Amino acid sequence: DIQMTQSPSSLSASVGDSVTITCRASQSMGNFLNWYQQKPGKAPKLLISAASSLQSGVPSRFSGTGSGTDFTLTISSLQPEDFATYYCQQTYSTPPYTFGQGTKLEIK
Amino acid sequence: EVQLVESGGGLVQPGGSLRVSCAASGFTFSSHWMAWVRQPPGKGLEWVANIKQDGSVKYYLDSVKGRFTISRDNAENSMYLQINSLRAEDTSVYYCTREEWASDSGSYYIVWGQGTLVTVSS
Repeated sequence: DIQMTQSPSSLSASVGDSVTITCRASQSMGNFLNWYQQKPGKAPKLLISAASSLQSGVPSRFSGTGSGTDFTLTISSLQPEDFATYYCQQTYSTPPYTFGQGTKLEIK
Repeated sequence: EVQLVESGGGLVQPGGSLRVSCAASGFTFSSHWMAWVRQPPGKGLEWVANIKQDGSVKYYLDSVKGRFTISRDNAENSMYLQINSLRAEDTSVYYCTREEWASDSGSYYIVWGQGTLVTVSS
């Protein structure tokens, strides 16, 4: 099974800042990497699929890059509604489709 | 409106069993793979299992194989997760989700239910 290592586990930033979250896979997995945002008490929301494909309705300040084993999610010009927990997920080959451990983005 | 609604969660004693359900509406249920994802209180997401459109192919997280059974009833637009030999570490919110797939992106999950809490405790 592919293991996903996400970092950092938590992050403090201010409105207007730019932040980057990293996800590393235990083996090469092409671009089969998704990013989700989750707010307390809510289901996850898909932000990006295929490492860099922004979902409809997701603000352009969210961007994803990477392929192989190393992936990043960047949020530029943080807005108050962006403070949440973010997860990467690999969907390469056959399941299980593992998630990263999550990154909690908090207001500084 | 596309909707997934889970039910069946509750308090169960260790070693007990429970079946959680997912009722789908607003889309052609039989056309989609479906999946279960769980989240222990205060912790991260964990992919649990998925099932093909006709129920003929199922995949499981290694740690639940032999205890969890995923199934579906396309006539009832419903998916199920039978959980046996429950352990404290199975305590989680269980989410139902619709699996999308594209050849250039693999699988991803857009539509989610609100989740149902399963608590394993004596």
